Amino acid sequence: AQSVTQPDIHITVSEGASLELRCNYSYGATPYLFWYVQSPGQGLQLLLKYFSGDTLVQGIKGFEAEFKRSQSSFNLRKPSVHWSDAAEYFCAVVLIKAAGNKLTFGGGTRVLVKP
Amino acid sequence: KAGVTQTPRYLIKTRGQQVTLSCSPISGHRSVSWYQQTPGQGLQFLFEYFSETQRNKGNFPGRFSGRQFSNSRSEMNVSTLELGDSALYLCASSLAPTGLSGNTIYFGEGSWLTVV
Repeated sequence: AQSVTQPDIHITVSEGASLELRCNYSYGATPYLFWYVQSPGQGLQLLLKYFSGDTLVQGIKGFEAEFKRSQSSFNLRKPSVHWSDAAEYFCAVVLIKAAGNKLTFGGGTRVLVKP
Repeated sequence: KAGVTQTPRYLIKTRGQQVTLSCSPISGHRSVSWYQQTPGQGLQFLFEYFSETQRNKGNFPGRFSGRQFSNSRSEMNVSTLELGDSALYLCASSLAPTGLSGNTIYFGEGSWLTVV
């Protein structure tokens, strides 16, 4: 089956500490990958994307992600978390299918930032 | 440049009624997709339109329908509303259809639908 998994439902991190959110995908071909963030009551904001090329991609708000084909992963990282980073984070992959392409999301990881 | 605009932002409907949600994509974008977000099911794909043609449809009943106009604006309609239709409905836009390399997908703020 083709899917996206975010193993951690909740993560609590102290302000100033580093953050890593995991994302694993199950897909036969080279995936197009995205990370989005959703603040309470808001829509989805694009953090970064990967299509090809350099496997370490930089995004907005100091986030970066690394595509590892051998591990089928696209983990999101931030060296030093700010209180405003408390939100829910979604990993997504574009699935290319004969019946039609679509963006498929993981279940999300909710991040709580402790002062 | 304005982002993806969705209207209305909040609405309350009664079971059995129908609702229409509107989405204006980013200027120049011709692809519009719709997603439903609920606490139990997460983010689920509804359908995608490109140049007024539906390209793909998710696994939702026929009560959910959509369309796209020549100016790329899109509407989705849900008829005979059920309590379970209460959700955040998100619209996304992109330059090209989903699946092309380099095609970035941007989302709006969503429309919160409550069915009572």
